[in-house]
Amino acid sequence: AQSVSQHNHHVILSEAASLELGCNYSYGGTVNLFWYVQYPGQHLQLLLKYFSGDPLVKGIKGFEAEFIKSKFSFNLRKPSVQWSDTAEYFCAVMISTGGFKTIFGAGTRLFVKA
Amino acid sequence: EAGVAQSPRYKIIEKRQSVAFWCNPISGHATLYWYQQILGQGPKLLIQFQNNGVVDDSQLPKDRFSAERLKGVDSTLKIQPAKLEDSAVYLCASSLVLGGGYEQYFGPGTRLTVT
Repeated sequence: AQSVSQHNHHVILSEAASLELGCNYSYGGTVNLFWYVQYPGQHLQLLLKYFSGDPLVKGIKGFEAEFIKSKFSFNLRKPSVQWSDTAEYFCAVMISTGGFKTIFGAGTRLFVKA
Repeated sequence: EAGVAQSPRYKIIEKRQSVAFWCNPISGHATLYWYQQILGQGPKLLIQFQNNGVVDDSQLPKDRFSAERLKGVDSTLKIQPAKLEDSAVYLCASSLVLGGGYEQYFGPGTRLTVT
């Protein structure tokens, strides 16, 4: 069955540290890839997405992600985190199986110490 | 632009009771999704509609869950009868169309507790 794996469930960083959150998926066909973020007390919202073209995509608030097709990965990065990046981050993959289905990873809780 | 609206925000019921959730998507969005998010897990797709037709309901426990989207706008998700394992946040989302890399816009969710 198709699945999305996020390797870290909890991450604690100090401000200005670099961030990389792993995401791997198991599906051999065409995919659209997303990172969603949920700030404390807020709705899930889109951080960035890959649809086609340049595999390095940039999102809001200085985040970027790289799609590596050969590794079935879509890791999220930020060179210098801020306290306001404290949130839960979800990787999601939209697959085409006659229709379209979105599969989410379990999420990574990031806590940034001021 | 108004976001996705959901009600109620919280609901506590006893097992074997029934419950219904309501969702109003962003105006003009053809696709509507219902997700179940159990504590500590990511959202799990239950059903998705394109206008008022069901596109995928393969993960909907149809013996107890039902959903409809009348007139291709609002949607309701019902659980009857509820079980303890149905305790979760139920998220509604909408997108302009299905597929094509279009992002989903999420509502605040309904937190259901079954006792």
